[in-house]
Amino acid sequence: DAGVTQSPTHLIKTRGQQVTLRCSPKSGHDTVSWYQQALGQGPQFIFQYYEEEERQRGNFPDRFSGHQFPNYSSELNVNALLLGDSALYLCASSLAGGEDEQFFGPGTRLTVL
Amino acid sequence: KQEVTQIPAALSVPEGENLVLNCSFTDSAIYNLQWFRQDPGKGLTSLLLIQSSQREQTSGRLNASLDKSSGRSTLYIAASQPGDSATYLCAVMEAGKTSYDKVIFGPGTSLSVIP
Repeated sequence: DAGVTQSPTHLIKTRGQQVTLRCSPKSGHDTVSWYQQALGQGPQFIFQYYEEEERQRGNFPDRFSGHQFPNYSSELNVNALLLGDSALYLCASSLAGGEDEQFFGPGTRLTVL
Repeated sequence: KQEVTQIPAALSVPEGENLVLNCSFTDSAIYNLQWFRQDPGKGLTSLLLIQSSQREQTSGRLNASLDKSSGRSTLYIAASQPGDSATYLCAVMEAGKTSYDKVIFGPGTSLSVIP
């Protein structure tokens, strides 16, 4: 049973570009959450997708958007990249219901030059 | 607004010592609390999950406790080993009808176990 997978592993972009990160949830999970982790800090919640809709959002600008597909996989899109967007982006999957454990993927390391 | 803090920020101990990591949160309305381990540049590995109705969970040399009323959790690591060196993060899952599965993380404790 594959756990949460993310692609790509590493990514280098320049300021102003756009990036798309991908996540496949653990088998049987229907909810995907995205987190940004800057160096030396804990992960910060970006948003969560359930039933192909954004269900909740953290304190991130509209440059950060996402999508969930019918197979529950998800994408995170970031437009107009800033140097400060450099971080590890983590995806977590869970079952809808509010009490279940979240399982995290290995993350995508984004570097903005 | 839920805030999670962890003390200490960094800890260095000799191999074999028992140690305690602390986590505090400001809002007791949580579904659960999770402890994670993170190796440098890697994703998160779940160590223990404590539901809000539980007081503690154990896995091998790890024991986590939860006191929801005081907003505190501890992670106890027995007989520490160099392989335990990593950053340990605690995270609470908020409860409430407007907080679906939202997880708030602490900043982490960086642990070094010296051989």
